[in-house]
Amino acid sequence: AQKITQTQPGMFVQEKEAVTLDCTYDTSDPSYGLFWYKQPSSGEMIFLIYQGSYDQQNATEGRYSLNFQKARKSANLVISASQLGDSAMYFCAMRDGNAGGTSYGKLTFGQGTILTVHP
Amino acid sequence: GAVVSQHPSRVICKSGTSVKIECRSLDFQATTMFWYRQFPKQSLMLMATSNEGSKATYEQGVEKDKFLINHASLTLSTLTVTSAHPEDSSFYICSAPARAGVAREQYFGPGTRLTVT
Repeated sequence: AQKITQTQPGMFVQEKEAVTLDCTYDTSDPSYGLFWYKQPSSGEMIFLIYQGSYDQQNATEGRYSLNFQKARKSANLVISASQLGDSAMYFCAMRDGNAGGTSYGKLTFGQGTILTVHP
Repeated sequence: GAVVSQHPSRVICKSGTSVKIECRSLDFQATTMFWYRQFPKQSLMLMATSNEGSKATYEQGVEKDKFLINHASLTLSTLTVTSAHPEDSSFYICSAPARAGVAREQYFGPGTRLTVT
């Protein structure tokens, strides 16, 4: 069974500083995908970044980068130059990599981290 | 990118009544739809998986007679909360998986906030 762990219930960061949100995972599947989503108070799930288990390089999307350490089974999100609008709940999630299976697309989510950006 | 719509966005109902939530894929065909439930400040928990043309698969602990799921077409999946009670008050989100071979795609509806009084 897949498991995602986010050990930081809440994080605080000063505006313009960088912050790292931790995520560790556990799976026996060699093929999987890792996602980070931002969820503001409206509830919508905003895609931030994706890392495939076979990707050789760490994923980057603008101010977001994913520190993927496969041997340690960690996929930490780094947000650079934090902005006030980054204040939200952040979820790490893992997807089964078995494309074409009936459960493909099923995500397992971590507990979430509430990020607060201070001016 | 592809869009998933969800209706209604908010609903308040009285205890004992039923509520239907619709999830539509607007510009792609979703053979599978996942339904999640989220309580305040908690994670998203998978309730069930709906597949077009077949019965839904429910996660352990989810009452299939209470949460009726229908996936009547490739663009519409519905979740009906029957005989709703205050403990069913939650945020419900549907999600459609990526097209095969496009790994990073994963589409979410905007969610439905259900309040049972």
